[in-house]
Amino acid sequence: QKEVEQNSGPLSVPEGAIASLNCTYSDRGSQSFFWYRQYSGKSPELIMSIYSNGDKEDGRFTAQLNKASQYVSLLIRDSQPSDSATYLCAVNSGGYQKVTFGTGTKLQVIP
Amino acid sequence: GAVVSQHPSRVICKSGTSVKIECRSLDFQATTMFWYRQFPKQSLMLMATSNEGSKATYEQGVEKDKFLINHASLTLSTLTVTSAHPEDSSFYICSARAVGEGEQFFGPGTRLTVL
Repeated sequence: QKEVEQNSGPLSVPEGAIASLNCTYSDRGSQSFFWYRQYSGKSPELIMSIYSNGDKEDGRFTAQLNKASQYVSLLIRDSQPSDSATYLCAVNSGGYQKVTFGTGTKLQVIP
Repeated sequence: GAVVSQHPSRVICKSGTSVKIECRSLDFQATTMFWYRQFPKQSLMLMATSNEGSKATYEQGVEKDKFLINHASLTLSTLTVTSAHPEDSSFYICSARAVGEGEQFFGPGTRLTVL
Protein backbone atom coordinates (compact mmCIF):
# COMPACT_ATOMS: atom_id res chain seq x y z
CA GLN A 1 0.00 0.00 0.00
CA LYS A 2 1.37 3.39 -0.97
CA GLU A 3 1.85 5.77 1.93
CA VAL A 4 0.16 8.70 0.16
CA GLU A 5 -2.29 8.02 -2.62
CA GLN A 6 -3.70 10.35 -5.22
CA ASN A 7 -5.62 9.78 -8.41
CA SER A 8 -3.22 10.63 -11.23
CA GLY A 9 -5.96 12.14 -13.38
CA PRO A 10 -6.14 14.10 -15.51
CA LEU A 11 -9.02 15.82 -13.80
CA SER A 12 -10.72 18.13 -16.28
CA VAL A 13 -13.00 20.92 -15.10
CA PRO A 14 -14.48 23.87 -16.98
CA GLU A 15 -13.30 27.36 -16.19
CA GLY A 16 -15.19 28.81 -13.23
CA ALA A 17 -16.06 25.43 -11.74
CA ILE A 18 -14.86 23.93 -8.47
CA ALA A 19 -11.97 21.49 -8.76
CA SER A 20 -11.79 18.84 -6.03
CA LEU A 21 -8.52 17.03 -5.45
CA ASN A 22 -8.30 14.12 -3.06
CA CYS A 23 -5.58 12.35 -1.13
CA THR A 24 -5.48 9.47 1.32
CA TYR A 25 -2.63 8.46 3.58
CA SER A 26 -1.74 5.32 5.48
CA ASP A 27 0.11 6.55 8.58
CA ARG A 28 -2.54 7.29 11.19
CA GLY A 29 0.03 9.17 13.26
CA SER A 30 0.62 11.80 10.57
CA GLN A 31 0.42 15.34 11.87
CA SER A 32 1.04 17.77 9.03
CA PHE A 33 -0.42 17.90 5.56
CA PHE A 34 0.51 20.01 2.57
CA TRP A 35 -0.61 20.74 -0.94
CA TYR A 36 1.90 21.74 -3.57
CA ARG A 37 1.33 22.88 -7.13
CA GLN A 38 3.81 21.94 -9.84
CA TYR A 39 3.72 23.39 -13.31
CA SER A 40 5.30 21.36 -16.08
CA GLY A 41 9.07 21.73 -16.03
CA LYS A 42 9.06 23.68 -12.76
CA SER A 43 9.62 22.78 -9.13
CA PRO A 44 6.75 22.40 -6.63
CA GLU A 45 5.28 25.45 -4.93
CA LEU A 46 3.59 25.26 -1.52
CA ILE A 47 0.00 26.48 -1.68
CA MET A 48 -1.62 25.17 1.52
CA SER A 49 -0.73 23.52 4.79
CA ILE A 50 -3.19 22.07 7.29
CA TYR A 51 -2.61 20.56 10.70
CA SER A 52 -6.00 20.03 12.36
CA ASN A 53 -9.31 18.48 11.35
CA GLY A 54 -11.70 20.66 9.42
CA ASP A 55 -11.39 23.24 6.70
CA LYS A 56 -8.76 25.88 6.06
CA GLU A 57 -9.42 28.56 3.48
CA ASP A 58 -6.95 30.76 1.65
CA GLY A 59 -8.39 32.78 -1.21
CA ARG A 60 -9.82 30.40 -3.79
CA PHE A 61 -8.23 27.38 -2.09
CA THR A 62 -9.74 25.32 0.72
CA ALA A 63 -7.93 22.40 2.31
CA GLN A 64 -10.00 19.84 4.19
CA LEU A 65 -8.60 17.32 6.65
CA ASN A 66 -10.29 14.30 8.19
CA LYS A 67 -7.81 12.39 10.31
CA ALA A 68 -10.32 9.71 11.28
CA SER A 69 -10.76 8.83 7.61
CA GLN A 70 -7.09 9.57 6.81
CA TYR A 71 -8.23 11.85 4.04
CA VAL A 72 -7.16 15.30 2.92
CA SER A 73 -8.56 17.27 0.03
CA LEU A 74 -8.05 20.53 -1.81
CA LEU A 75 -10.87 22.52 -3.34
CA ILE A 76 -10.18 25.20 -5.91
CA ARG A 77 -13.08 27.57 -6.46
CA ASP A 78 -13.59 29.54 -9.65
CA SER A 79 -10.98 27.45 -11.44
CA GLN A 80 -8.85 29.30 -13.96
CA PRO A 81 -6.80 27.96 -16.88
CA SER A 82 -3.72 29.12 -14.95
CA ASP A 83 -4.61 26.56 -12.27
CA SER A 84 -3.80 23.78 -14.75
CA ALA A 85 -0.91 21.95 -13.13
CA THR A 86 -0.08 18.84 -11.15
CA TYR A 87 -1.13 19.03 -7.50
CA LEU A 88 0.96 17.10 -5.01
CA CYS A 89 -0.31 15.99 -1.63
CA ALA A 90 2.38 15.68 1.04
CA VAL A 91 2.17 14.18 4.50
CA ASN A 92 4.61 14.68 7.35
CA SER A 93 5.12 11.91 9.84
CA GLY A 94 8.01 10.85 12.00
CA GLY A 95 8.69 14.03 13.90
CA TYR A 96 9.35 16.48 11.06
CA GLN A 97 12.02 14.29 9.56
CA LYS A 98 10.40 13.17 6.36
CA VAL A 99 7.60 14.33 4.16
CA THR A 100 6.06 11.75 1.86
CA PHE A 101 4.65 12.96 -1.43
CA GLY A 102 1.87 11.46 -3.46
CA THR A 103 2.39 10.99 -7.17
CA GLY A 104 0.20 13.99 -7.93
CA THR A 105 -3.08 14.72 -9.70
CA LYS A 106 -2.96 16.51 -13.02
CA LEU A 107 -5.62 19.19 -13.24
CA GLN A 108 -6.78 20.63 -16.54
CA VAL A 109 -9.02 23.68 -16.50
CA ILE A 110 -10.78 24.02 -19.81
CA PRO A 111 -11.48 27.62 -21.00
CA GLY B 1 9.98 34.94 2.74
CA ALA B 2 11.00 31.27 2.50
CA VAL B 3 13.06 31.59 -0.66
CA VAL B 4 15.31 28.76 -1.77
CA SER B 5 17.75 29.16 -4.62
CA GLN B 6 19.61 26.59 -6.68
CA HIS B 7 22.63 26.98 -8.87
CA PRO B 8 23.12 26.24 -11.68
CA SER B 9 19.64 26.12 -13.17
CA ARG B 10 20.86 24.10 -16.12
CA VAL B 11 24.04 22.18 -16.78
CA ILE B 12 25.29 20.07 -19.65
CA CYS B 13 28.34 17.93 -19.09
CA LYS B 14 30.26 15.10 -20.64
CA SER B 15 29.97 11.55 -19.38
CA GLY B 16 32.46 10.83 -16.60
CA THR B 17 32.65 14.34 -15.22
CA SER B 18 31.38 15.51 -11.84
CA VAL B 19 28.75 18.17 -11.35
CA LYS B 20 28.07 20.18 -8.19
CA ILE B 21 24.67 21.69 -7.48
CA GLU B 22 24.20 24.28 -4.74
CA CYS B 23 21.04 24.83 -2.73
CA ARG B 24 20.69 27.91 -0.54
CA SER B 25 17.97 29.10 1.82
CA LEU B 26 18.06 32.87 1.35
CA ASP B 27 15.93 34.22 4.17
CA PHE B 28 15.76 31.48 6.77
CA GLN B 29 17.96 28.91 8.43
CA ALA B 30 17.36 25.40 7.18
CA THR B 31 18.28 22.66 9.59
CA THR B 32 17.08 20.07 7.12
CA MET B 33 17.43 20.02 3.35
CA PHE B 34 16.15 17.43 0.96
CA TRP B 35 17.32 16.41 -2.49
CA TYR B 36 14.88 15.07 -5.04
CA ARG B 37 15.15 13.81 -8.58
CA GLN B 38 12.37 13.90 -11.13
CA PHE B 39 12.40 12.21 -14.52
CA PRO B 40 10.06 13.49 -17.27
CA LYS B 41 6.38 12.81 -16.55
CA GLN B 42 7.26 11.02 -13.32
CA SER B 43 6.76 11.91 -9.69
CA LEU B 44 9.28 13.38 -7.28
CA MET B 45 11.73 10.85 -5.91
CA LEU B 46 13.44 11.65 -2.64
CA MET B 47 17.14 10.91 -2.88
CA ALA B 48 18.42 11.96 0.50
CA THR B 49 17.80 14.03 3.59
CA SER B 50 20.57 16.14 5.03
CA ASN B 51 20.79 17.77 8.43
CA GLU B 52 23.26 20.55 9.08
CA GLY B 53 26.53 19.23 10.42
CA SER B 54 25.73 15.54 10.05
CA LYS B 55 25.86 12.89 7.37
CA ALA B 56 23.05 12.67 4.89
CA THR B 57 20.49 9.88 5.05
CA TYR B 58 20.04 8.28 1.66
CA GLU B 59 16.94 6.58 0.38
CA GLN B 60 17.09 2.94 -0.61
CA GLY B 61 18.69 2.47 -3.99
CA VAL B 62 20.52 5.81 -4.04
CA GLU B 63 24.30 5.40 -4.16
CA LYS B 64 25.85 7.60 -1.51
CA ASP B 65 29.27 7.43 -3.16
CA LYS B 66 27.85 8.66 -6.43
CA PHE B 67 25.63 11.40 -5.02
CA LEU B 68 27.70 13.26 -2.46
CA ILE B 69 25.79 15.59 -0.19
CA ASN B 70 27.29 18.21 2.07
CA HIS B 71 25.23 20.39 4.42
CA ALA B 72 27.97 22.49 5.93
CA SER B 73 25.89 25.44 7.10
CA LEU B 74 22.32 26.32 7.96
CA THR B 75 21.86 27.99 4.58
CA LEU B 76 23.80 25.81 2.15
CA SER B 77 23.67 22.24 0.96
CA THR B 78 25.47 20.83 -2.06
CA LEU B 79 24.85 17.76 -4.18
CA THR B 80 27.74 16.46 -6.26
CA VAL B 81 26.97 13.94 -8.97
CA THR B 82 30.23 12.09 -9.42
CA SER B 83 31.23 10.40 -12.67
CA ALA B 84 27.96 11.38 -14.27
CA HIS B 85 26.46 9.17 -16.97
CA PRO B 86 23.61 9.79 -19.41
CA GLU B 87 21.19 7.91 -17.15
CA ASP B 88 21.83 10.56 -14.47
CA SER B 89 20.24 13.16 -16.71
CA SER B 90 17.26 14.45 -14.77
CA PHE B 91 15.70 17.39 -12.97
CA TYR B 92 17.30 17.74 -9.52
CA ILE B 93 15.35 19.73 -6.96
CA CYS B 94 16.29 20.66 -3.42
CA SER B 95 13.99 21.74 -0.66
CA ALA B 96 14.64 23.27 2.74
CA ARG B 97 12.82 23.25 6.04
CA ALA B 98 13.28 25.72 8.86
CA VAL B 99 13.73 24.82 12.52
CA GLY B 100 10.49 23.72 14.12
CA GLU B 101 8.50 24.14 10.92
CA GLY B 102 6.73 21.49 8.89
CA GLU B 103 6.66 23.14 5.48
CA GLN B 104 9.33 22.44 2.92
CA PHE B 105 10.17 25.13 0.39
CA PHE B 106 11.56 24.07 -2.94
CA GLY B 107 14.34 25.54 -5.01
CA PRO B 108 13.72 26.14 -8.71
CA GLY B 109 15.55 22.97 -9.73
CA THR B 110 18.59 22.09 -11.80
CA ARG B 111 18.23 20.39 -15.12
CA LEU B 112 21.20 18.11 -15.70
CA THR B 113 22.00 16.71 -19.13
CA VAL B 114 24.88 14.27 -19.41
CA LEU B 115 26.10 13.69 -22.96
